[in-house]
Amino acid sequence: KNEVEQSPQNLTAQEGEFITINCSYSVGISALHWLQQHPGGGIVSLFMLSSGKKKHGRLIATINIQEKHSSLHITASHPRDSAVYICAVRPNNDMRFGAGTRLTVKP
Amino acid sequence: EPEVTQTPSHQVTQMGQEVILRCVPISNHLYFYWYRQILGQKVEFLVSFYNNEISEKSEIFDDQFSVERPDGSNFTLKIRSTKLEDSAMYFCASSQMGSGGSYNEQFFGPGTRLTVL
Repeated sequence: KNEVEQSPQNLTAQEGEFITINCSYSVGISALHWLQQHPGGGIVSLFMLSSGKKKHGRLIATINIQEKHSSLHITASHPRDSAVYICAVRPNNDMRFGAGTRLTVKP
Repeated sequence: EPEVTQTPSHQVTQMGQEVILRCVPISNHLYFYWYRQILGQKVEFLVSFYNNEISEKSEIFDDQFSVERPDGSNFTLKIRSTKLEDSAMYFCASSQMGSGGSYNEQFFGPGTRLTVL
């Protein structure tokens, strides 16, 4: 069983829609990361969370430590948000990655 | 804005050859990491490095792999005798602190695509 499970695997949305990507994990962690991987392969860190909620522009990330669950929300989605979104957890000084959610936002 | 850089962007090598992948972390960062992503698969942790020694390593990081910080700026990953299955994108990352600190956001380099023929 994967230690980090993301859903959905693929998501297609119309521009302007509200997007939610979910992440569940099964190990104890010190932090959870949301990453964005562009079609060219580059990885950008969006959020690092250990509790509560963070907001950056149109992106919001939440985490529930007791339930071992995190969500990434995108408000007013735009075609430039199209990418793979990866949830990764840090038990210690390593990192365990989810398989990613491929988001396509159509104009 | 400071960024992590990696060279080369693409490396092609013959099976059995040694390769060295290079990374320049952000200058005030203390923790360094290597990850790999085989085409079509998820990203996998290889190793973390702090204070000139390995902090943690995965099962993938066997004896054919080694890491080094040869000077104050570079962080290298060496694969001693490459296999076909080593073909992947290798990402370097760095952070100011490790898992226990508040400044542990990781910044990723653009990756090196390694192709083993």
